[in-house]
Amino acid sequence: QQQVKQSPQSLIVQKGGISIINCAYENTAFDYFPWYQQFPGKGPALLIAIRPDVSEKKEGRFTISFNKSAKQFSLHIMDSQPGDSATYFCASSGATNKLIFGTGTLLAVQP
Amino acid sequence: EPEVTQTPSHQVTQMGQEVILRCVPISNHLYFYWYRQILGQKVEFLVSFYNNEISEKSEIFDDQFSVERPDGSNFTLKIRSTKLEDSAMYFCASTAMGDTQYFGPGTRLTVL
Repeated sequence: QQQVKQSPQSLIVQKGGISIINCAYENTAFDYFPWYQQFPGKGPALLIAIRPDVSEKKEGRFTISFNKSAKQFSLHIMDSQPGDSATYFCASSGATNKLIFGTGTLLAVQP
Repeated sequence: EPEVTQTPSHQVTQMGQEVILRCVPISNHLYFYWYRQILGQKVEFLVSFYNNEISEKSEIFDDQFSVERPDGSNFTLKIRSTKLEDSAMYFCASTAMGDTQYFGPGTRLTVL
Protein backbone atom coordinates (compact mmCIF):
# COMPACT_ATOMS: atom_id res chain seq x y z
CA GLN A 1 0.00 0.00 0.00
CA GLN A 2 3.03 2.25 0.18
CA GLN A 3 4.08 1.96 -3.46
CA VAL A 4 4.08 4.73 -6.01
CA LYS A 5 4.31 3.49 -9.59
CA GLN A 6 5.80 5.78 -12.21
CA SER A 7 5.95 5.56 -15.98
CA PRO A 8 7.58 5.75 -18.41
CA GLN A 9 11.06 4.83 -17.23
CA SER A 10 12.56 7.05 -19.93
CA LEU A 11 11.22 9.59 -22.37
CA ILE A 12 12.63 11.36 -25.40
CA VAL A 13 10.87 14.53 -26.55
CA GLN A 14 11.69 17.05 -29.22
CA LYS A 15 12.30 20.65 -28.23
CA GLY A 16 8.97 22.44 -28.02
CA GLY A 17 7.03 19.25 -27.44
CA ILE A 18 4.98 18.14 -24.44
CA SER A 19 6.49 15.74 -21.91
CA ILE A 20 4.02 13.65 -19.92
CA ILE A 21 4.95 11.51 -16.93
CA ASN A 22 2.42 9.45 -15.00
CA CYS A 23 2.20 8.17 -11.46
CA ALA A 24 -0.21 5.98 -9.55
CA TYR A 25 -0.47 5.54 -5.82
CA GLU A 26 -2.18 2.96 -3.65
CA ASN A 27 -2.63 4.50 -0.22
CA THR A 28 -5.79 6.59 -0.04
CA ALA A 29 -4.40 8.32 3.05
CA PHE A 30 -1.81 10.14 0.94
CA ASP A 31 -2.64 13.82 0.71
CA TYR A 32 0.42 15.51 -0.75
CA PHE A 33 1.82 14.83 -4.21
CA PRO A 34 5.03 16.61 -5.24
CA TRP A 35 7.19 16.27 -8.31
CA TYR A 36 10.95 16.54 -7.94
CA GLN A 37 13.54 17.26 -10.63
CA GLN A 38 17.02 15.84 -10.24
CA PHE A 39 20.10 16.64 -12.29
CA PRO A 40 23.09 14.27 -12.23
CA GLY A 41 25.09 14.58 -9.01
CA LYS A 42 22.52 16.86 -7.37
CA GLY A 43 19.77 16.43 -4.83
CA PRO A 44 16.10 16.34 -5.80
CA ALA A 45 14.59 19.81 -6.18
CA LEU A 46 10.87 20.47 -5.74
CA LEU A 47 9.26 21.38 -9.03
CA ILE A 48 5.55 21.56 -8.26
CA ALA A 49 3.15 19.92 -5.81
CA ILE A 50 -0.58 19.36 -5.45
CA ARG A 51 -3.06 18.37 -2.75
CA PRO A 52 -6.19 16.33 -3.53
CA ASP A 53 -8.63 19.21 -3.10
CA VAL A 54 -7.85 20.41 -6.65
CA SER A 55 -7.65 18.49 -9.92
CA GLU A 56 -5.02 20.61 -11.62
CA LYS A 57 -2.23 22.98 -10.73
CA LYS A 58 -0.17 24.99 -13.18
CA GLU A 59 3.10 26.81 -12.61
CA GLY A 60 4.63 28.24 -15.75
CA ARG A 61 5.29 25.41 -18.21
CA PHE A 62 4.62 22.72 -15.57
CA THR A 63 1.16 21.32 -14.83
CA ILE A 64 0.05 18.58 -12.45
CA SER A 65 -3.19 16.80 -13.27
CA PHE A 66 -4.71 14.86 -10.37
CA ASN A 67 -7.41 12.16 -10.53
CA LYS A 68 -8.42 11.22 -7.00
CA SER A 69 -10.86 8.46 -7.95
CA ALA A 70 -8.25 6.74 -10.14
CA LYS A 71 -5.45 7.44 -7.64
CA GLN A 72 -3.31 8.84 -10.43
CA PHE A 73 -1.47 12.07 -11.08
CA SER A 74 0.68 13.27 -13.92
CA LEU A 75 3.22 15.94 -14.80
CA HIS A 76 2.95 17.81 -18.07
CA ILE A 77 5.89 19.89 -19.27
CA MET A 78 4.79 22.20 -22.06
CA ASP A 79 7.24 23.60 -24.62
CA SER A 80 9.94 21.22 -23.37
CA GLN A 81 13.48 22.61 -23.52
CA PRO A 82 16.90 20.90 -23.56
CA GLY A 83 17.47 22.39 -20.09
CA ASP A 84 14.55 20.29 -18.84
CA SER A 85 16.58 17.13 -19.48
CA ALA A 86 16.79 15.50 -16.04
CA THR A 87 15.30 12.71 -13.97
CA TYR A 88 11.82 13.40 -12.64
CA PHE A 89 10.42 11.72 -9.55
CA CYS A 90 6.86 11.78 -8.38
CA ALA A 91 6.26 11.27 -4.68
CA SER A 92 3.42 10.92 -2.21
CA SER A 93 3.07 11.49 1.49
CA GLY A 94 0.44 11.38 4.19
CA ALA A 95 0.17 12.37 7.82
CA THR A 96 3.72 11.32 8.71
CA ASN A 97 5.16 13.44 5.88
CA LYS A 98 7.67 10.81 4.80
CA LEU A 99 7.96 10.92 1.03
CA ILE A 100 7.39 7.74 -0.94
CA PHE A 101 9.10 8.21 -4.29
CA GLY A 102 8.33 6.73 -7.66
CA THR A 103 11.04 4.98 -9.63
CA GLY A 104 11.92 8.03 -11.72
CA THR A 105 11.69 9.05 -15.39
CA LEU A 106 14.78 10.02 -17.33
CA LEU A 107 13.72 12.80 -19.70
CA ALA A 108 15.85 13.77 -22.68
CA VAL A 109 14.75 16.79 -24.70
CA GLN A 110 16.39 16.83 -28.10
CA PRO A 111 17.26 20.18 -29.67
CA GLU B 1 17.95 31.70 -0.80
CA PRO B 2 18.54 29.43 2.20
CA GLU B 3 19.56 25.89 1.37
CA VAL B 4 20.37 22.59 3.00
CA THR B 5 24.08 21.82 3.02
CA GLN B 6 25.80 18.46 3.45
CA THR B 7 29.36 17.38 4.15
CA PRO B 8 31.36 15.66 2.92
CA SER B 9 30.31 15.51 -0.71
CA HIS B 10 32.05 12.14 -1.09
CA GLN B 11 33.11 9.69 1.62
CA VAL B 12 35.10 6.55 0.94
CA THR B 13 35.38 4.02 3.75
CA GLN B 14 36.35 0.44 4.41
CA MET B 15 33.70 -2.12 5.24
CA GLY B 16 33.13 -2.29 9.00
CA GLN B 17 34.19 1.30 9.64
CA GLU B 18 31.97 3.96 11.17
CA VAL B 19 30.94 6.99 9.16
CA ILE B 20 29.19 10.19 10.12
CA LEU B 21 27.38 12.18 7.47
CA ARG B 22 26.64 15.78 8.33
CA CYS B 23 23.83 18.11 7.34
CA VAL B 24 22.97 21.70 8.12
CA PRO B 25 19.23 22.12 7.58
CA ILE B 26 17.59 25.43 6.72
CA SER B 27 17.73 27.51 9.90
CA ASN B 28 14.05 27.91 10.82
CA HIS B 29 13.06 24.36 9.85
CA LEU B 30 11.79 21.96 12.47
CA TYR B 31 11.49 18.60 10.69
CA PHE B 32 14.52 16.74 9.40
CA TYR B 33 14.88 13.67 7.23
CA TRP B 34 17.46 11.33 5.78
CA TYR B 35 16.91 9.54 2.48
CA ARG B 36 19.20 7.39 0.42
CA GLN B 37 19.46 6.65 -3.29
CA ILE B 38 21.35 3.63 -4.53
CA LEU B 39 22.88 4.36 -7.93
CA GLY B 40 20.22 4.38 -10.64
CA GLN B 41 17.38 3.63 -8.24
CA LYS B 42 14.66 5.63 -6.56
CA VAL B 43 15.04 7.77 -3.46
CA GLU B 44 14.15 5.85 -0.28
CA PHE B 45 13.09 7.21 3.09
CA LEU B 46 15.34 6.32 6.03
CA VAL B 47 14.25 8.37 9.03
CA SER B 48 12.43 11.49 10.17
CA PHE B 49 13.34 13.57 13.20
CA TYR B 50 11.38 16.19 15.10
CA ASN B 51 11.70 17.77 18.52
CA ASN B 52 14.95 15.92 19.19
CA GLU B 53 13.60 12.47 18.62
CA ILE B 54 12.95 10.04 15.79
CA SER B 55 9.40 10.37 14.45
CA GLU B 56 9.50 7.47 12.05
CA LYS B 57 12.06 5.10 10.58
CA SER B 58 12.04 2.64 7.72
CA GLU B 59 13.05 -1.02 7.83
CA ILE B 60 16.36 0.03 6.25
CA PHE B 61 17.16 2.09 9.36
CA ASP B 62 18.34 -0.77 11.56
CA ASP B 63 20.51 -0.75 14.69
CA GLN B 64 23.57 0.19 12.64
CA PHE B 65 22.07 3.61 11.94
CA SER B 66 21.56 6.51 14.31
CA VAL B 67 20.73 10.19 13.99
CA GLU B 68 21.55 13.10 16.19
CA ARG B 69 21.09 16.83 16.36
CA PRO B 70 24.14 17.66 18.48
CA ASP B 71 23.60 21.42 18.43
CA GLY B 72 21.16 23.94 17.04
CA SER B 73 22.36 23.67 13.48
CA ASN B 74 23.77 20.24 12.62
CA PHE B 75 21.90 17.02 11.92
CA THR B 76 23.99 13.87 11.57
CA LEU B 77 23.54 10.33 10.31
CA LYS B 78 25.91 7.74 11.75
CA ILE B 79 26.44 4.27 10.33
CA ARG B 80 28.24 2.22 12.96
CA SER B 81 29.68 -0.61 10.90
CA THR B 82 29.36 0.00 7.18
CA LYS B 83 28.50 -2.76 4.72
CA LEU B 84 29.06 -2.88 0.97
CA GLU B 85 25.33 -2.42 0.42
CA ASP B 86 25.40 0.90 2.29
CA SER B 87 27.08 2.45 -0.74
CA ALA B 88 24.63 5.10 -1.96
CA MET B 89 23.88 8.80 -2.11
CA TYR B 90 22.54 10.02 1.20
CA PHE B 91 20.31 13.07 1.15
CA CYS B 92 19.29 15.21 4.06
CA ALA B 93 16.03 17.16 3.82
CA SER B 94 14.27 19.65 6.02
CA THR B 95 10.92 21.38 6.21
CA ALA B 96 9.38 24.11 8.29
CA MET B 97 5.85 22.82 8.83
CA GLY B 98 6.01 19.29 7.49
CA ASP B 99 5.06 19.89 3.89
CA THR B 100 7.62 20.95 1.26
CA GLN B 101 10.89 19.14 1.88
CA TYR B 102 14.08 20.80 0.71
CA PHE B 103 16.90 18.44 -0.13
CA GLY B 104 20.61 18.92 0.24
CA PRO B 105 23.10 18.07 -2.53
CA GLY B 106 23.85 14.69 -0.98
CA THR B 107 26.86 12.74 0.24
CA ARG B 108 28.10 9.93 -1.94
CA LEU B 109 29.16 7.07 0.34
CA THR B 110 31.42 4.42 -1.14
CA VAL B 111 32.10 1.35 0.99
CA LEU B 112 35.06 -0.77 -0.16
